[in-house]
Amino acid sequence: KAGVTQTPRYLIKTRGQQVTLSCSPISGHRSVSWYQQTPGQGLQFLFEYFSETQRNKGNFPGRFSGRQFSNSRSEMNVSTLELGDSALYLCASSLEPGPGNYNEQFFGPGTRLTVL
Amino acid sequence: AQKITQTQPGMFVQEKEAVTLDCTYDTSDPSYGLFWYKQPSSGEMIFLIYQGSYDQQNATEGRYSLNFQKARKSANLVISASQLGDSAMYFCAIGELGYSTLTFGKGTMLLVSP
Repeated sequence: KAGVTQTPRYLIKTRGQQVTLSCSPISGHRSVSWYQQTPGQGLQFLFEYFSETQRNKGNFPGRFSGRQFSNSRSEMNVSTLELGDSALYLCASSLEPGPGNYNEQFFGPGTRLTVL
Repeated sequence: AQKITQTQPGMFVQEKEAVTLDCTYDTSDPSYGLFWYKQPSSGEMIFLIYQGSYDQQNATEGRYSLNFQKARKSANLVISASQLGDSAMYFCAIGELGYSTLTFGKGTMLLVSP
């Protein structure tokens, strides 16, 4: 079974530009979460999508947005990039969440974004 | 709100020895799960072990075991017989059951020496 894939793996942008990152979950997984990892702030939750609906959102400005498609693939977009957006962006997929379930999240290799 | 505290920025251990990585948590949720992930230098997060808040027994997965003390709100990871390949960042995380959102700690860098 193929794992979580993220494209591109590396990205270099300049301040003010926008960027779109893509995540393909494991086949059969309908929940996709995004995390930002920086040396200073560590791992921070961005959003969680399930069945094309955003179920949860972290404390990030509106420049960060995302969506999920009917095939469960997800994209996140960052507009008006700032130097502080340089980070490793990790996507994780899991099975359908439900009461009493724990959902092992399978992470992708990440997209390393550098903003110059 | 949920919070994870990992007080050890770095740990050193010799090969074949056991090591304990500390994790304390805070949550107001009655049901929650505790997770440990390993992140090698490649960047990918690798799931190691899980403990549910209502699980009576401590979780074990091969060389990994989770020392869960609910009253003390701690969920320490014990790695037995350390191997050189265990050198990595280790993250403790908490999630509310039924949801996929995880809150991570700052991590502990483990270095295993020959």
